[in-house]
Amino acid sequence: GDSVTQMEGPVTLSEEACLTINCTYTATGYPSLFWYVQYPGEGLQLLLKATKADDKGSNKGFEATYRKETTSFHLEKGSVQVSDSAVYFCALRAVGVNTGNQFYFGTGTSLTVIP
Amino acid sequence: DTEVTQTPKHLVMGMTNKKSLKCEQHMGHRAMYWYKQKAKKPPELMFVYSYEKLSINESVPSRFSPECPNSSLLNLHLHALQPEDSALYLCASSQDRGAGSNYGYTFGSGTRLTVV
Repeated sequence: GDSVTQMEGPVTLSEEACLTINCTYTATGYPSLFWYVQYPGEGLQLLLKATKADDKGSNKGFEATYRKETTSFHLEKGSVQVSDSAVYFCALRAVGVNTGNQFYFGTGTSLTVIP
Repeated sequence: DTEVTQTPKHLVMGMTNKKSLKCEQHMGHRAMYWYKQKAKKPPELMFVYSYEKLSINESVPSRFSPECPNSSLLNLHLHALQPEDSALYLCASSQDRGAGSNYGYTFGSGTRLTVV
């Protein structure tokens, strides 16, 4: 079945460090891929998405490229800020009449950025 | 309006109480969802409503009872809960359940439920 495997956390970085959170997926169809962010005490917010191979999603300095050959969608940011401290979820949504509703989430990666 | 609004934000209830969680969206989305999220875990799907009809129940105990009075509202009725039901309950909506995978979900901020 479809699934998402995400890098285990927690991750602690100093401000202005580079961030990479690894995400790989397994899917039988042609999924769209998403990164959601959850700040403390809040719900999930869509950070970025990519709907087909080689698409790059970007938002707020974060980027992720949909790599079909490696089935990956790694999240990257060149210079993190304290305000980026949150939990990041990689997710896929599969195409199909019966699967279109399904979102598969990774386990989440907690990021703490220290000044 | 691009939000999903959930009320209340916090709820403490006893095991014999009956309470309801409410969710509202005015984006014209026709699919709405309830998720349960335990601390440091990803959200787990509970129910899916598509065009106001229940389309998926992920084997959720009957002490959780969903209701979709109209296309903008989603309720979750709670009765005789257990302490292990304490969690963050998230509502989400999307354009359409079967419209294709391009659409993400819009999540509310959640109701943090504590069962005592």
